[in-house]
Amino acid sequence: AQTVTQSQPEMSVQEAETVTLSCTYDTSESNYYLFWYKQPPSRQMILVIRQEAYKQQNATENRFSVNFQKAAKSFSLKISDSQLGDTAMYFCAFISNFGNEKLTFGTGTRLTIIP
Amino acid sequence: DAGVIQSPRHEVTEMGQEVTLRCKPISGHDYLFWYRQTMMRGLELLIYFNNNVPIDDSGMPEDRFSAKMPNASFSTLKIQPSEPRDSAVYFCASSLGTQPQHFGDGTRLSIL
Repeated sequence: AQTVTQSQPEMSVQEAETVTLSCTYDTSESNYYLFWYKQPPSRQMILVIRQEAYKQQNATENRFSVNFQKAAKSFSLKISDSQLGDTAMYFCAFISNFGNEKLTFGTGTRLTIIP
Repeated sequence: DAGVIQSPRHEVTEMGQEVTLRCKPISGHDYLFWYRQTMMRGLELLIYFNNNVPIDDSGMPEDRFSAKMPNASFSTLKIQPSEPRDSAVYFCASSLGTQPQHFGDGTRLSIL
């Protein structure tokens, strides 16, 4: 069974700073997908970024980028030039590419951007 | 593009009553998921469907919970009878294969 671990329950940074959220996972599979979802106070679950395990290049989406270390089973999210609107819960998630379409979520990191 | 649509947005009802939550997935998506989110347990997958067929319902807490997907554009999650410990936010999500799941806005359920 796959597991996803987010070891930072809460983080806070000053506006405009860079912050990195950690995520590790455990799987015996070689091909899979990893995601970061954002849940602001409005409670919507919003996809932030996606990484395919077979791609060595780290995914980027504007101010959001990941550091994917497959051997270490690590998938951290970096938010550059943080903005007040980035305040949210962030969930790391894993899905297998082998017919098991269940997303496994981490427990989340509550990020607060301080003005 | 319409996203995943859930109704109602909020539901408050008394213990023992039947509760029905509704979900309309994104058109063309072949997977539909029901999740429950609580402070204590985080996000839990309750059940998911592929092409309207339930694939895995191992997350359904007990027989009081049931889910149906009569067609590709509609699903329900029913709780009967409801209990205070069922209070949570219930999310519906849909996807196409292993593409990212798209979530609805959730239903906040309060059982008094």
